[in-house]
Amino acid sequence: QVQLVQSGAEVKKPGASVKVSCKASGYTFTGYYMHWVRQAPGQGLEWMGWINPNSGGTNYAQKFQGRVTMTRDTSISTAYMELSRLRSDDTAVYYCARDVGVGFLEGSMDVWGQGTTVTVSS
Amino acid sequence: QSALTQPASVSGSPGQSITISCTGTSSDVGGYNYVSWYQQHPGKAPKLMIYEVSNRPSGVSNRFSGSKSGNTASLTISGLQAEDEADYYCSSYTSSSTYVVFGGGTKLTVL
Repeated sequence: QVQLVQSGAEVKKPGASVKVSCKASGYTFTGYYMHWVRQAPGQGLEWMGWINPNSGGTNYAQKFQGRVTMTRDTSISTAYMELSRLRSDDTAVYYCARDVGVGFLEGSMDVWGQGTTVTVSS
Repeated sequence: QSALTQPASVSGSPGQSITISCTGTSSDVGGYNYVSWYQQHPGKAPKLMIYEVSNRPSGVSNRFSGSKSGNTASLTISGLQAEDEADYYCSSYTSSSTYVVFGGGTKLTVL
C-alpha cells in the first residue's frame, strides 16, 4: 500500500540542526511532489515547503528560507528535511505529505507520514 | 495569523449537518479550484477529506462535501457522527511565493 514512513523522534539543543527522513513505498517516488508541514504543540498546520523528487527542485516558505533544506535520494525513495539553527519555537511535529497531483503541483496532500516529533530544549 | 480564516469551533448534535467556512482572497481560495479540507484527530496525522474544492478521495464518506463561492470555501458534514469530532483544516494553492496556505483550524464538537 502507499505509505510514507518517517524517522523517529529527536531532541536537540538550541542552535543545532535536525534532519528528518521520509521513506516512500507503494508508488513511483519521482512521480509526485512532496511537501513538509509542521505543527507546534496545540497549534495549527504550517506549510514549510516542497521538493520535486524527480528534478530535486525545491520551494520553501519565506519564513524558513535560509534555515531549511529539502533533499531526496531517489535510489531509496526517501525525502529529507533539514532545519538548522534550531530555536525553542521549532519544537513541533514535522510531517511529510505527498501532493495529489501526478507530475504537477496542486497543493493538496493525500498521503501523510506518521509525523516526527522534534523537541528543542537546552 | 493564518492566511485563511476559519471559525475556531463549531458544534452539532448526532444526525445534524454542520458547515465550516474558510475565507481567503482572490490570490488563493477565490483564484483557484485547489481548495482542500483535512480532518485531524488528536495525536494523529491529518487526513485528506476533500480536494479540488469538492472531490472526495476514495474511502471518504459521502457525508462530507465541499463547495466554494467567491473567496470562501465550505465543508459540510451531514448526518453527524461521534467519530466526526476532530479538528478540520482548509488549505489552498496560492499565487504567492508560499504556494500553499492553511487555515487556522476548526474544532468540531459532536454534542
